[in-house]
Amino acid sequence: QKEVEQDPGPLSVPEGAIVSLNCTYSNSAFQYFMWYRQYSRKGPELLMYTYSSGNKEDGRFTAQVDKSSKYISLFIRDSQPSDSATYLCAYTGRRALTFGSGTRLQVQP
Amino acid sequence: EAEVAQSPRYKITEKSQAVAFWCDPISGHATLYWYRQILGQGPELLVQFQDESVVDDSQLPKDRFSAERLKGVDSTLKIQPAELGDSAMYLCASSGFDRPNTGELFFGEGSRLTVL
Repeated sequence: QKEVEQDPGPLSVPEGAIVSLNCTYSNSAFQYFMWYRQYSRKGPELLMYTYSSGNKEDGRFTAQVDKSSKYISLFIRDSQPSDSATYLCAYTGRRALTFGSGTRLQVQP
Repeated sequence: EAEVAQSPRYKITEKSQAVAFWCDPISGHATLYWYRQILGQGPELLVQFQDESVVDDSQLPKDRFSAERLKGVDSTLKIQPAELGDSAMYLCASSGFDRPNTGELFFGEGSRLTVL
């Protein structure tokens, strides 16, 4: 079983839609949870970061963590074509970042 | 804005040849990582350095891969001999000294390797 499971997509939505991206993990040692965004042919960049259960909001983005269910989500409100990218969930604890396989998102104008 | 520099951006080589990638992290970042990302997958850690010391190289195929960070600044990742399955993006990342495992990594643009 992979430590991190993420639906690869692709996910295609119209501009302005609310997007929900999800990951599940199996390792209880994971302490920090984050979402990275990766544009085509670029390195990943940190989008959001949290270390506790609950919600964290940053502009149009909301990260949700449920440690009891080992489940994290990223919500994007009023999605824009510029949000088209691959979204990687990631976790860390005793070791360095463990990434999910990424969900490719396409926002249609 | 400070960036992680990597070179070359693209490398095409034949199998059994040697290949090397270079990374210069953000100035002052003590922790440096090399990740490998196969197309359609997430990055996988190959090696982690804290200054010049290797912290984790458990996933590095040591029969053909080597990594060094001699002066605790820039780093080189070498593959010898390259195999077809090594075709991937090789990503370098760095993080500040006080946050080595919190996940706030700054990635370079990567070096894309194609082995023919």
